[in-house]
Amino acid sequence: AQSVTQLGSHVSVSEGALVLLRCNYSSSVPPYLFWYVQYPNQGLQLLLKYTTGATLVKGINGFEAEFKKSETSFHLTKPSAHMSDAAEYFCAVRLGGTYKYIFGTGTRLKVLA
Amino acid sequence: DTAVSQTPKYLVTQMGNDKSIKCEQNLGHDTMYWYKQDSKKFLKIMFSYNNKELIINETVPNRFSPKSPDKAHLNLHINSLELGDSAVYFCASSQDVTEKETQYFGPGTRLLVL
Repeated sequence: AQSVTQLGSHVSVSEGALVLLRCNYSSSVPPYLFWYVQYPNQGLQLLLKYTTGATLVKGINGFEAEFKKSETSFHLTKPSAHMSDAAEYFCAVRLGGTYKYIFGTGTRLKVLA
Repeated sequence: DTAVSQTPKYLVTQMGNDKSIKCEQNLGHDTMYWYKQDSKKFLKIMFSYNNKELIINETVPNRFSPKSPDKAHLNLHINSLELGDSAVYFCASSQDVTEKETQYFGPGTRLLVL
């Protein structure tokens, strides 16, 4: 069975600092991997996804993530945090050919001035 | 134009009542989903329909009944509401299961059961 673990339910960074949000997955075969962002009182918006091909994936708002099969990880990074990045971030997995998404428990990112 | 819309946005009701939440997508997608997000932000899939057929039915009380009158609509009816049903319910849609597929979420319906 697939599962997703997000380390750190709350992460605080200073404005301009590196953002690193951790996601590890468990799956019998390499799944498709996703990062979503949820701003307060809004729905989820896709930041980026990995399916096949290049393991470093670039998304919107300057975020990127790297798929590391050996570490079963898909950590999300951004070189320089902005106040507008404060939100809840969710990592998710889906097996190819299936419709079911499994979401992590989310990481709330706080950006300090 | 809103891609995935839900009504109502907020719903406050008494325990024991029956209520419905509606979802519509104008993306031409074949698949629609209902998710429940609890107070700790945990997001769990409840149901999914593909071309009006139920394809995912997680362990959800049978008080919850989804209905898909056509591919663009997926409604959620909840009977005999309980306090524990208080949550944010998200509708989502996607086209297919290929690697290019992306899931789009609605803005959510905040349900509070008193």
